[in-house]
Amino acid sequence: GAVVSQHPSWVICKSGTSVKIECRSLDFQATTMFWYRQFPKKSLMLMATSNEGSKATYEQGVEKDKFLINHASLTLSTLTVTSAHPEDSSFYICSARDGASGRAPDTQYFGPGTRLTVL
Amino acid sequence: AQSVAQPEDQVNVAEGNPLTVKCTYSVSGNPYLFWYVQYPNRGLQFLLKYITGDNLVKGSYGFEAEFNKSQTSFHLKKPSALVSDSALYFCAVSPRWGNNTGKLIFGQGTTLQVKP
Repeated sequence: GAVVSQHPSWVICKSGTSVKIECRSLDFQATTMFWYRQFPKKSLMLMATSNEGSKATYEQGVEKDKFLINHASLTLSTLTVTSAHPEDSSFYICSARDGASGRAPDTQYFGPGTRLTVL
Repeated sequence: AQSVAQPEDQVNVAEGNPLTVKCTYSVSGNPYLFWYVQYPNRGLQFLLKYITGDNLVKGSYGFEAEFNKSQTSFHLKKPSALVSDSALYFCAVSPRWGNNTGKLIFGQGTTLQVKP
């Protein structure tokens, strides 16, 4: 149980284009999802917290107009990197917390990550 | 400021030997404590957590962790390391209240290398 998927697993795009990454909780309802960014051999940096049906809460220094987050259902959150630039190239990881069933509401379950390369 | 420290960038052990990956934290108010493992180009896998109760927590793949309140530590341990345990390990802390409630504060990660 507690499986989180991400799609795509990797994407290469041209500078200036937008890229959408999906995060799905497959066997539980995720009232809260989180988006992280990870640089090579570095820790995870929390970008934003996504709550179903409401606006995402962004961490300090993260541009909300550049990284659009939508959490339209209890099993899906999306991150759209708008007008991507090479410096946006990174490994993006989502996580989800099971806030509905009462099972381990304190534990975040992570997706496999999406490797974004902007040329 | 709230923080998590993993003092070792890398830990090297021989297969079959016990391993310890260290973690200390500076977060007030009895936070939740977690260990995750990450294999190359993959997301994080949950290993174990401490919420309350017995200070020794057992988790997946034979790993365990010991909570020490006075030292604010949560070291990860395994009695006998396997080559397949080689990966990047993250300690994380989640405050029970305050501004960061529900969020994970990560350590910088420790690479575990188990040699045959």
